[in-house]
Amino acid sequence: RKEVEQDPGPFNVPEGATVAFNCTYSNSASQSFFWYRQDCRKEPKLLMSVYSSGNEDGRFTAQLNRASQYISLLIRDSKLSDSATYLCVVRRDKIIFGKGTRLHILP
Amino acid sequence: DGGITQSPKYLFRKEGQNVTLSCEQNLNHDAMYWYRQDPGQGLRLIYYSQIVNDFQKGDIAEGYSVSREKKESFPLTVTSAQKNPTAFYLCASRGRLVNEKLFFGSGTQLSVL
Repeated sequence: RKEVEQDPGPFNVPEGATVAFNCTYSNSASQSFFWYRQDCRKEPKLLMSVYSSGNEDGRFTAQLNRASQYISLLIRDSKLSDSATYLCVVRRDKIIFGKGTRLHILP
Repeated sequence: DGGITQSPKYLFRKEGQNVTLSCEQNLNHDAMYWYRQDPGQGLRLIYYSQIVNDFQKGDIAEGYSVSREKKESFPLTVTSAQKNPTAFYLCASRGRLVNEKLFFGSGTQLSVL
């Protein structure tokens, strides 16, 4: 089993739709969790950290379920500029990235 | 301005040649990381270092070597033993806090001639 697994994608959704990304991790000793966004051939940029209590930043909501070892990201009212690859990231002693899910927002 | 700098942006390697990718940070971060990204794929960890003069292998260390003689610098050498080196290489660093984010360099695209 891969250490961090994400939906393979790609997701093609119309502008304004709500999009949900899922991620699971295998090591229960993992300490911190993040969602990063990566545009083509650029470095990843932090979208948000993920906490057990759940956290929200504008149109973005992240949730962590430690018992199920599951992380989610919800994007509401999607914009064309949200088109990118979304990477689930898990940290214990090293930092492991999921393969990413490509999102295409359609006009 | 504080940040992390990778050089060069583009690098070409001949068969049988070793090449070194530079990564320098002035953020006073202890931990530094090297990742490789192939087209349409996620980031895979090559090596990481949590403190000066110490480093550990990641998931795909074969054919690569690193050093960490200074806190600011974590160069990656792609040796001739790496048979498929063409990829986008990303260096990152982070501070000590549990939820501290990774800071990335802008990457080096390595291609084989």
